[in-house]
Amino acid sequence: AQSVTQPDIHITVSEGASLELRCNYSYGATPYLFWYVQSPGQGLQLLLKYFSGDTLVQGIKGFEAEFKRSQSSFNLRKPSVHWSDAAEYFCAQIKAAGNKLTFGGGTRVLVKP
Amino acid sequence: EPEVTQTPSHQVTQMGQEVILRCVPISNHLYFYWYRQILGQKVEFLVSFYNNEISEKSEIFDDQFSVERPDGSNFTLKIRSTKLEDSAMYFCASSLERTGENEQFFGPGTRLTVL
Repeated sequence: AQSVTQPDIHITVSEGASLELRCNYSYGATPYLFWYVQSPGQGLQLLLKYFSGDTLVQGIKGFEAEFKRSQSSFNLRKPSVHWSDAAEYFCAQIKAAGNKLTFGGGTRVLVKP
Repeated sequence: EPEVTQTPSHQVTQMGQEVILRCVPISNHLYFYWYRQILGQKVEFLVSFYNNEISEKSEIFDDQFSVERPDGSNFTLKIRSTKLEDSAMYFCASSLERTGENEQFFGPGTRLTVL
């Protein structure tokens, strides 16, 4: 069965510092990979996605993610976080022929002033 | 910017009661989804819907659940006889075409509390 793992449940980072959120997937072929963000009281908003091609993908709000097949990883990064980046972040995958998202457990990011 | 909306934002019900959660997907989207997130757990897929029929469902989506698109705009999830373990945040989503390559747009969710 396909699964997505986010090893870090909580991360605290200082405003202006860099952020990296880890995500590992388990699907034999290359899945479609996504990062979503959920702010309090909001729905899930797509930050970026990877299907094929360049393994470094740029998203909204200054986020980027790198697909590494050898490590089955799709880590999310941001060079300098803002207080508004405090939220929960979800990595997700879809099998190439499917249409259901499989989510990781999420990582809650706290931003210190 | 078009968005998915859901009503109500919070629903409290007694165990055994029927509930209907409502969603208005983005108007030109063709694929519709329900997901749920039990407190402290992962977001889980429930069902996808296309062309007025279920295209895929999870093992969670048993006979107590049903979905319907009663008119051209609404997409509903009905739970026939709620159980305590149905308490969760329920998210509706829609996409223009069949995903993977098409983004699923999520609504803000309905928090269902079963007492």
